[in-house]
Amino acid sequence: ILNVEQSPQSLHVQEGDSTNFTCSFPSSNFYALHWYRWETAKSPEALFVMTLNGDEKKKGRISATLNTKEGYSYLYIKGSQPEDSATYLCARNTGFQKLVFGTGTRLLVSP
Amino acid sequence: SAVISQKPSRDICQRGTSLTIQCQVDSQVTMMFWYRQQPGQSLTLIATANQGSEATYESGFVIDKFPISRPNLTFSTLTVSNMSPEDSSIYLCSAKQGLAANTGELFFGEGSRLTVL
Repeated sequence: ILNVEQSPQSLHVQEGDSTNFTCSFPSSNFYALHWYRWETAKSPEALFVMTLNGDEKKKGRISATLNTKEGYSYLYIKGSQPEDSATYLCARNTGFQKLVFGTGTRLLVSP
Repeated sequence: SAVISQKPSRDICQRGTSLTIQCQVDSQVTMMFWYRQQPGQSLTLIATANQGSEATYESGFVIDKFPISRPNLTFSTLTVSNMSPEDSSIYLCSAKQGLAANTGELFFGEGSRLTVL
């Protein structure tokens, strides 16, 4: 994998459903993996910065895991709410403090 | 944390014209960056804005097309020159605080949505 890839591209769930997204990235020369949430007409907001293989981080109903050896990270949302509707971006830090972003997963949560 | 204000938030521009986007951070930051998101594409780094010196551009981006200034630690501008419809994008200013190499989060502005006719 040369770039950061995210799947699915979009997702539509019902309120209360739990869901997860995948971010795949090159496993060589790993520095850090970032997750951002980007709501329409707002600024992208940092959710997690993950650096160590096996890292698990949690923020409320949202959690993320990291596998640097195989080059993937999962983002989980438990009990989705309409306010979770946003585009979720992951980005790989390539060194020199630069981020390479995936195209994002667009989540829509219906009441 | 840092709060970043960008203006304009959106604009419709004519082909061949230039537009300058301003970015103001509410606190001193160590690094400032400019990103672009073309329709259907990922956020792509244009350049790192360096205080008091020329910006550092990524492959595929040049100073003549995207001149950048950063006169102090809290302010930067990006100009999109001689615009064409392909420049229609969301342009985002971002900043990083502290010196934690490669692990610090980025703060973003709300973006400037440009449409070039």
